[in-house]
Amino acid sequence: AQSVTQLGSHVSVSEGALVLLRCNYSSSVPPYLFWYVQYPNQGLQLLLKYTSAATLVKGINGFEAEFKKSETSFHLTKPSAHMSDAAEYFCAVIKGETSYDKVIFGPGTSLSVIP
Amino acid sequence: NAGVTQTPKFQVLKTGQSMTLQCAQDMNHNSMYWYRQDPGMGLRLIYYSASEGTTDKGEVPNGYNVSRLNKREFSLRLESAAPSQTSVYFCASSRGDSFTDTQYFGPGTRLTVL
Repeated sequence: AQSVTQLGSHVSVSEGALVLLRCNYSSSVPPYLFWYVQYPNQGLQLLLKYTSAATLVKGINGFEAEFKKSETSFHLTKPSAHMSDAAEYFCAVIKGETSYDKVIFGPGTSLSVIP
Repeated sequence: NAGVTQTPKFQVLKTGQSMTLQCAQDMNHNSMYWYRQDPGMGLRLIYYSASEGTTDKGEVPNGYNVSRLNKREFSLRLESAAPSQTSVYFCASSRGDSFTDTQYFGPGTRLTVL
């Protein structure tokens, strides 16, 4: 069974600095992995997803994530933080071995951007 | 194109009261989902519907019932609300019937049970 952990419930970066949000999953098989973003008082929206086509996945708003099987990680990065990036970020993984199994979400990381 | 809409946005109930949360999507999606979001726990799946007329339990279905009224609408009912059901509830939809499909979320309903 899959599970997902996000290291750091709160991350603060300065505007213009590198954003790095960590996600690790437990799996013995290649997973489906997602990053979702939640802006204040809104629902979640998909940033990017990994489906085994390429290890480096590019998403919206300049974000990207790299799948590293050896580290069972799928960390989210953005080279230069913008004030509008302040939000809650969730990593998610498909539970089980097929795409018909359910998705489970990590606990989330709140990103603050300091001007 | 409104996407996924949820009503109400806020609700306060007393223990034992019942209520129905409404969700509708205008994207002609096949699958719809109900999640609850609690601090420090991410989202947890309550129920989902892969197609009109079908529903399945998720991770935390106890205390809830659902109805897939038609392709557009998917409601969540609390028959006898409990304080443990205080949460933010999100409805979502996706085009296909697989969890690998991108899910589109509504703005949420913030429910407080006293």
